[in-house]
Amino acid sequence: GQNIDQPTEMTATEGAIVQINCTYQTSGFNGLFWYQQHAGEAPTFLSYNVLDGLEEKGRFSSFLSRSKGYSYLLLKELQMKDSASYLCAVRERQAGTALIFGKGTTLSVSS
Amino acid sequence: DTEVTQTPKHLVMGMTNKKSLKCEQHMGHRAMYWYKQKAKKPPELMFVYSYEKLSINESVPSRFSPECPNSSLLNLHLHALQPEDSALYLCASSQDQSAYEQYFGPGTRLTVT
Repeated sequence: GQNIDQPTEMTATEGAIVQINCTYQTSGFNGLFWYQQHAGEAPTFLSYNVLDGLEEKGRFSSFLSRSKGYSYLLLKELQMKDSASYLCAVRERQAGTALIFGKGTTLSVSS
Repeated sequence: DTEVTQTPKHLVMGMTNKKSLKCEQHMGHRAMYWYKQKAKKPPELMFVYSYEKLSINESVPSRFSPECPNSSLLNLHLHALQPEDSALYLCASSQDQSAYEQYFGPGTRLTVT
């Protein structure tokens, strides 16, 4: 089985930096994903980590520690359009599985 | 073309109706997925097709019947649904089942009355 935990809600202001944490317990870990989902829209892929360390992509970075079962998504220079739900998802097995999503963190960015 | 399309966008059906949801991609992806997402909840995996064969069925009730007629198309046939089946149904595709990036379609918002 698997258990994925992330905060339900976070708030921040424009221009700030926010870190969204995700902890997971799973067997046969094979990758951690972050997706962004605006209300009423489909999830869009943000990042993928399978090895420990930091992956940077523009204003967004994602970090993974497999030994701690921990990841975070870092959003810099926040913009109003970053207000969305951020979903942490884990893939468990090498093949034959899809994504198991956490409950998501709703981020509200204010001016 | 990096798009997954889904039709219809919205669907209202009665509990005795039979309807189908359609999903299409032309990226040459060989893995396709159906997810169900209730309001303010994360997507939940329903089915995975790999090379047009059903690979995973996450204990979905038989009133949901998936079909993959070819590598570009994925259908979800609906029959005798319940009001609690009302949700956003998301289709996704990836290069294959081991590929890390899944592309999601916009979803079909289904209401069962």
